[in-house]
Amino acid sequence: GQNIDQPTEMTATEGAIVQINCTYQTSGFNGLFWYQQHAGEAPTFLSYNVLDGLEEKGRFSSFLSRSKGYSYLLLKELQMKDSASYLCVLPMDSSYKLIFGSGTRLLVRP
Amino acid sequence: DVKVTQSSRYLVKRTGEKVFLECVQDMDHENMFWYRQDPGLGLRLIYFSYDVKMKEKGDIPEGYSVSREKKERFSLILESASTNQTSMYLCASSSPDGASGNTIYFGEGSWLTVV
Repeated sequence: GQNIDQPTEMTATEGAIVQINCTYQTSGFNGLFWYQQHAGEAPTFLSYNVLDGLEEKGRFSSFLSRSKGYSYLLLKELQMKDSASYLCVLPMDSSYKLIFGSGTRLLVRP
Repeated sequence: DVKVTQSSRYLVKRTGEKVFLECVQDMDHENMFWYRQDPGLGLRLIYFSYDVKMKEKGDIPEGYSVSREKKERFSLILESASTNQTSMYLCASSSPDGASGNTIYFGEGSWLTVV
């Protein structure tokens, strides 16, 4: 089976750096996604990791360690608009279905 | 630009009514999905389709059916709406992509209230 764990809530200050962790168990690894979801809106794609290491994309970076079943999303130079939920997502063994973590709600304070 | 469009953003329906939620994608994606999202429960898969006229049950198909007559369109049907189907419904689509895996793109969501 597959299982995803991430913290429920985090708070950080505008301009700071925050790391959102995700640990997972899966029988077959097919990559890991991070999505951002603002309240009342649909999730939007942030990153996809399939190999170990850090992928950087502007202010956002995502890290993966397959041997540890661990990923994190790093947000730098936090802005108020980064207040949102961040979802760690695993594709299932088939090509069709995704397993969503419950999400980490990030609150950015001035 | 990637586009998944859901026909209705906000709906209020009465118990027992038949409800149609329509979704159209313009990316020629093979896979389409319907999820519902509820506080504390995250996103739960209702049905998905990997080709025209093909469908498979997700985790919570009870009380729902789907239709995919054309590749770009995937409809969710509530045969007889009930109050426990009040939720936000998200349509999504995806296609295998070597660089980005099966990146899934979501519509804006449909907020359904059943009274």
